[in-house]
Amino acid sequence: DQQVKQNSPSLSVQEGRISILNCDYTNSMFDYFLWYKKYPAEGPTFLISISSIKDKNEDGRFTVFLNKSAKHLSLHIVPSQPGDSAVYFCAASAGTGANSKLTFGKGITLSVRP
Amino acid sequence: NAGVTQTPKFRILKIGQSMTLQCTQDMNHNYMYWYRQDPGMGLKLIYYSVGAGITDKGEVPNGYNVSRSTTEDFPLRLELAAPSQTSVYFCASSYKRTLSYNEQFFGPGTRLTVL
Repeated sequence: DQQVKQNSPSLSVQEGRISILNCDYTNSMFDYFLWYKKYPAEGPTFLISISSIKDKNEDGRFTVFLNKSAKHLSLHIVPSQPGDSAVYFCAASAGTGANSKLTFGKGITLSVRP
Repeated sequence: NAGVTQTPKFRILKIGQSMTLQCTQDMNHNYMYWYRQDPGMGLKLIYYSVGAGITDKGEVPNGYNVSRSTTEDFPLRLELAAPSQTSVYFCASSYKRTLSYNEQFFGPGTRLTVL
């Protein structure tokens, strides 16, 4: 049972345009969400996060939106750059206690065309 | 800081062999994790540790063992390698504070093939 779903396996956008990466979740106990970026042959690196008490968090070119009623979040990258080409994982956690753990989606491969 | 380091980068094992995947972090993080990533899939948690001497099972612990004798090191042991354990293994660490979620820092991964 997949609790974090990234239904689109890939996305291709033109350099300078907006990239929108979507993520859906089923577990209503999730209250913290993170996006990780992964280049080939490297480990994932943290990109941006959002708590369930917010509906938007912005960091430079990256903005994450959270719609709790729809159990949906999205990552916006504006403007997209070729260096953004990578796999993006959505992850979620229920609580912040000692045993809270991350549940990852399958990832979306973003290709930014020059 | 080197962050999270993993050795080896690549390894090929025969069925039934055993090996230890090494993981070390120099950030004084109290939490450490082991994940595996199969092709086209997300990361699945194998084991985690909230501090030296304390470990617990994650989502997919069968066929693996861990120990945490120091804050820095968190080795993952495969006792009887099986083809189903062919995967990329990632170690991660985080500094857990209460009432907030701290992001995990990942190592570069170990690509393991069992033939």
